[in-house]
Amino acid sequence: NAGVTQTPKFQVLKTGQSMTLQCAQDMNHEYMSWYRQDPGMGLRLIHYSVGAGITDQGEVPNGYNVSRSTTEDFPLRLLSAAPSQTSVYFCASSPRARSSYNSPLHFGNGTRLTVT
Amino acid sequence: GNSVTQMEGPVTLSEEAFLTINCTYTATGYPSLFWYVQYPGEGLQLLLKATKADDKGSNKGFEATYRKETTSFHLEKGSVQVSDSAVYFCALSESGNTPLVFGKGTRLSVIA
Repeated sequence: NAGVTQTPKFQVLKTGQSMTLQCAQDMNHEYMSWYRQDPGMGLRLIHYSVGAGITDQGEVPNGYNVSRSTTEDFPLRLLSAAPSQTSVYFCASSPRARSSYNSPLHFGNGTRLTVT
Repeated sequence: GNSVTQMEGPVTLSEEAFLTINCTYTATGYPSLFWYVQYPGEGLQLLLKATKADDKGSNKGFEATYRKETTSFHLEKGSVQVSDSAVYFCALSESGNTPLVFGKGTRLSVIA
């Protein structure tokens, strides 16, 4: 019972490098989202998707791109990494497109990213 | 806009002590309220929820009551254990395609 799987668990990048954080869920959930977690800031929503082919911006979308070509996968792309993107990134999914209203989020275990 | 305010941590308690973590919210409509817990090295998981005023959510000995008159959803547990050491997040969601709004989290450490 895999749930939400994030890879890699840890990553170190140099400023200007690009990379993709992977997120996959095997629960046939419609809703998927990316959060970043920073000390003293809690969780902030980066991007979310209510279904394949549909994405939308959250609170802090700048510097990140997403796509949702399948129900299962929701990768997060950093095109040109900056030290301000050092954070722990969480992917989360929910059964229905109505995000978490009466329908809780299932979280992955996170990716810890350091940009030097 | 919608927002959630939690008491700042960290909170350190002895085993079997009583726990309260305060949470208040601001919302334009009638949100559902949640408490999520994050154990070390893991993602968040739902602890309990309440979907309308005066509802009480409960799980694993934790309780929280949806108080519309005070816009609060305080988390309580009568006797904490070392295994309850974690970060606790209060969150709300209004109806429709609106993502969860989280508080900043409160770190709880329980010592034996």
